[in-house]
Amino acid sequence: AQKITQTQPGMFVQEKEAVTLDCTYDTSDQSYGLFWYKQPSSGEMIFLIYQGSYDEQNATEGRYSLNFQKARKSANLVISASQLGDSAMYFCAMREGVRQAGTALIFGKGTTLSVSS
Amino acid sequence: DVKVTQSSRYLVKRTGEKVFLECVQDMDHENMFWYRQDPGLGLRLIYFSYDVKMKEKGDIPEGYSVSREKKERFSLILESASTNQTSMYLCASSLWDSSYEQYFGPGTRLTVT
Repeated sequence: AQKITQTQPGMFVQEKEAVTLDCTYDTSDQSYGLFWYKQPSSGEMIFLIYQGSYDEQNATEGRYSLNFQKARKSANLVISASQLGDSAMYFCAMREGVRQAGTALIFGKGTTLSVSS
Repeated sequence: DVKVTQSSRYLVKRTGEKVFLECVQDMDHENMFWYRQDPGLGLRLIYFSYDVKMKEKGDIPEGYSVSREKKERFSLILESASTNQTSMYLCASSLWDSSYEQYFGPGTRLTVT
């Protein structure tokens, strides 16, 4: 079974609109972390936002917010007021277990977001 | 600013060649990672290292090995390159505490012919 599921291969949105990118996860750990990364066509991976499993408030970073619904095991990324520069691939990722050395991230397959003017 | 650099952006090698991909980070991070990215498959972990000379297999270690002789450098080695290893390879590093984000290099697009 996939640990991270991103069900939307592609999303299309107009400039200035809000968009939600879906992510569901599967873990039996009580302590875990959820990350979103952006990958523009240039290829570099850019960290956007982080949510810890014990964080009570949804994480926000500028125009990005993470809609964390623990019971549903979902961690959707919301981008408000989309810009042309938001066109990219977006990856959801999870770190399982308690804080420890060398824990790698598990990535979803990604969602391609296209923003048009 | 954290900087993770990779030795090449693009590389073309022949089947059977030994290939070295180098990754260097300048922020004294304990953890370093090698991922492979293929269309429709996302990023898959090949190997990671949490200390000098320490390494752990990821999800797809077959056909690869790694070396970490110095804290700042993590090398991925393809002992005998094959066409199914044509891919984008991404290196990343992070602090010991894995609650912190991973910082990625620009990637190496490897083509094996």
